[in-house]
Amino acid sequence: DGGITQSPKYLFRKEGQNVTLSCEQNLNHDAMYWYRQDPGQGLRLIYYSQIVNDFQKGDIAEGYSVSREKKESFPLTVTSAQKNPTAFYLCASSDGTSGYEQYFGPGTRLTVT
Amino acid sequence: GQSLEQPSEVTAVEGAIVQINCTYQTSGFYGLSWYQQHDGGAPTFLSYNALDGLEETGRFSSFLSRSDSYGYLLLQELQMKDSASYFCAVRNSGNTPLVFGKGTRLSVIA
Repeated sequence: DGGITQSPKYLFRKEGQNVTLSCEQNLNHDAMYWYRQDPGQGLRLIYYSQIVNDFQKGDIAEGYSVSREKKESFPLTVTSAQKNPTAFYLCASSDGTSGYEQYFGPGTRLTVT
Repeated sequence: GQSLEQPSEVTAVEGAIVQINCTYQTSGFYGLSWYQQHDGGAPTFLSYNALDGLEETGRFSSFLSRSDSYGYLLLQELQMKDSASYFCAVRNSGNTPLVFGKGTRLSVIA
């Protein structure tokens, strides 16, 4: 079955630690995205990638980093510089950057204490 | 700047019809998408309108008026399982990501 996987579902970290969230897709999509969602809020774009070895900052990139070494994978690192990292993180992919139909993974709920 | 406006909450009765509106101000416009998200889940794609008019997919329909910078999602024969958040999203160019609204939380009551 094609789709997007994110792991883990829940993640707990101590303040000051970097943490990497996994995102893998087998849909053969060129474009991948990371969003942050806070309670009762919409989707805010962190980073996106249109092609392997290339990525662009979204609206809230500060304190985050990404890599795109393989078409299937787009991991997100939440660094200690992110002031308020506790949130629900969603990864998505689409067939082309402006694809109107994005496919989302199940999300990772990160809690930093 | 870019902005999308949706009501934050809507409540409707099971079996009824509900309309969720979305108005947008964006630098460009190619089309309007709608997504559904249940609590704790992933958003799922519902519909896309690039041209004016109504698109129907089962109990769900989506409408677009480009001249009014306005669209809506229409849900008919509401069921309890339709309780979720609904997001509109604008495709405003050929090579930039969708811009999402803040979402409308729909509560379906008996």
